[in-house]
Amino acid sequence: EIVMTQSPATLSVSPGERATLSCRASQIVKGNLAWYQQKPGQAPRLLIYGASTRAAGIPARFSGSGSGTEFTLTISSLQSEDFAVYYCQQYNNWPLFTFGPGTTVDIK
Amino acid sequence: EVRLLESGGGLVQPGESLRLSCAASGFLFSNYAMNWVRQAPGKGLEWVSVISASGGSTYYADSVKGRFTMSRDNSKNTLSLQMTSLRAEDTAVYYCAKDRYSGGSFDAFDFWGQGTMVAVSS
Repeated sequence: EIVMTQSPATLSVSPGERATLSCRASQIVKGNLAWYQQKPGQAPRLLIYGASTRAAGIPARFSGSGSGTEFTLTISSLQSEDFAVYYCQQYNNWPLFTFGPGTTVDIK
Repeated sequence: EVRLLESGGGLVQPGESLRLSCAASGFLFSNYAMNWVRQAPGKGLEWVSVISASGGSTYYADSVKGRFTMSRDNSKNTLSLQMTSLRAEDTAVYYCAKDRYSGGSFDAFDFWGQGTMVAVSS
């Protein structure tokens, strides 16, 4: 099983600032990595797939990068609606999909 | 507009069974693999199971293998998860989620339902 880790567990950021979230896979997942955003009481929403491709309707301030085992989600200028939990997920080792434990982005 | 609507959750005792459903609309259901993902209270996301577009293949997380059965009815655009021998650790919100890719392999999950809560407690 591929284990996903995320850092930091919590990131405190001021509105307008840049946020950088990290995700690491225990084995190579190539570019088969997705990022999801989840707000309290809501379902997760796909932000990024293929490590760097924004899903439909996702603002350009969200960007993804990386390949192999190391990945990054960057939010260039945090808006109030971006404070949420972010999960990475590998789908290279399908059909055994695994999620990371999440990074909470909260208001500094 | 893609819509996924889960139902069937509730409170059950350990060892009992429950059947969840997911009604899909707004896309060609029979072309896409579908998943169940769960989230225990205050915890992260855990993938549970996936079914291929045709329904011919199903796969499960080790934590539910042998106890849960996933199925689909492409004529009714519905997905089901039959859960048996439920345990306290199965307590979670269960989401159905659509695979992004229709090409036969599995991909990211591009649409999610709002979830249905399953509580297992005596």
